[in-house]
Amino acid sequence: NAGVTQTPKFQVLKTGQSMTLQCAQDMNHEYMSWYRQDPGMGLRLIHYSVGAGITDQGEVPNGYNVSRSTTEDFPLRLLSAAPSQTSVYFCASSQRQGAIGELFFGEGSRLTVL
Amino acid sequence: GDSVTQMEGPVTLSEEAFLTINCTYTATGYPSLFWYVQYPGEGLQLLLKATKADDKGSNKGFEATYRKETTSFHLEKGSVQVSDSAVYFCALSDRGSARQLTFGSGTQLTVLP
Repeated sequence: NAGVTQTPKFQVLKTGQSMTLQCAQDMNHEYMSWYRQDPGMGLRLIHYSVGAGITDQGEVPNGYNVSRSTTEDFPLRLLSAAPSQTSVYFCASSQRQGAIGELFFGEGSRLTVL
Repeated sequence: GDSVTQMEGPVTLSEEAFLTINCTYTATGYPSLFWYVQYPGEGLQLLLKATKADDKGSNKGFEATYRKETTSFHLEKGSVQVSDSAVYFCALSDRGSARQLTFGSGTQLTVLP
């Protein structure tokens, strides 16, 4: 009963390095999204996708890229990491049809940029 | 734009105490309202929801009522347990936002035995 799986759980980068946070879901959900969680600021939406081949920007998209080649996977790419991207990242998914807002979250990926 | 304001934490209670976590919102439309809970080291889980005015969401002894007149969705529990220690997030979803959620900043709850 995997649900939403994120890897890696922890990562340390140096400024300027690139990396990809992986997200996979096995619930056949059409909607997937990435949030970042920072102290005192709740969760902020980075990018989202309503289906394979379709992505759009959220509230804080700068410095991040996404793609959605399959229903199951929604990787988040940091092109040139900056200390401001130190955060905990959460991937979430939901059915396209059905109740709005019932997101299923992964366990999070804690990223530190030095 | 849409926004959610939660009472600041942290909140520390003794077991069996009454809990209230305040949440107010600003939205242009008629949003759905949610409470999510995050236990240590885990992702967020949906705790309860309400989709229209005067609806009451409930789960695991927690309740919240959608009050359109006061734009509020306060979370309550009559008797908290140590296992309720977690971070609680209030959130809203505007019907036109393709399942995007706007979250409050979260409230850390610690329940002492």
